[in-house]
Amino acid sequence: ETGVTQSPTHLIKTRGQQVTLRCSSQSGHNTVSWYQQALGQGPQFIFQYYREEENGRGNFPPRFSGLQFPNYSSELNVNALELDDSALYLCASSNPTGFDYGYTFGSGTRLTVV
Amino acid sequence: SQQGEEDPQALSIQEGENATMNCSYKTSINNLQWYRQNSGRGLVHLILIRSNEREKHSGRLRVTLDTSKKSSSLLITASRAADTASYFCATGSFGNEKLTFGTGTRLTIIP
Repeated sequence: ETGVTQSPTHLIKTRGQQVTLRCSSQSGHNTVSWYQQALGQGPQFIFQYYREEENGRGNFPPRFSGLQFPNYSSELNVNALELDDSALYLCASSNPTGFDYGYTFGSGTRLTVV
Repeated sequence: SQQGEEDPQALSIQEGENATMNCSYKTSINNLQWYRQNSGRGLVHLILIRSNEREKHSGRLRVTLDTSKKSSSLLITASRAADTASYFCATGSFGNEKLTFGTGTRLTIIP
């Protein structure tokens, strides 16, 4: 059983650019959630995907968008990058009732915007 | 916004001692979960306690939940150097797909 895999592990982008982060969910999990964790803070919910549809969204602007593919992998896209987007981006997978059993998180992508 | 606050923000203890950290939250929940994070990397799920449970054990971990006070505690017994990490509580509610995390406790175990 494989865990959650995120790529890349580190990324440096320039303000105004666009970035795509990728996540492969754990085998058997069809729900993927994305979180943003600023330095010294707890993770903040961005959105969740279930069966390729967005299934809830946190307080993030529309320039944060996502996709889920038929194999349940997922992408997080951020347009018009701002300096405050610098953070650790975490992907978590679960089955539909996963929130009642716990999520499996990937190791994250560290994004630095300069 | 953060759901809750962990207390203390930082804790240093000698190896072998017990570590206790607390979490308070604001809204009604269906479960509360604890996660560990090493050096700013991914989160590892430690234990989940449901709103109708008051105490739960897993190995060296003991979690309590007091829904009347909207608080939880995590006890790690016989601490080890490998327990050095940040610990986060997170709450989940039916009909709300997200986990809401607290601000974390940074635990340092001194060999």
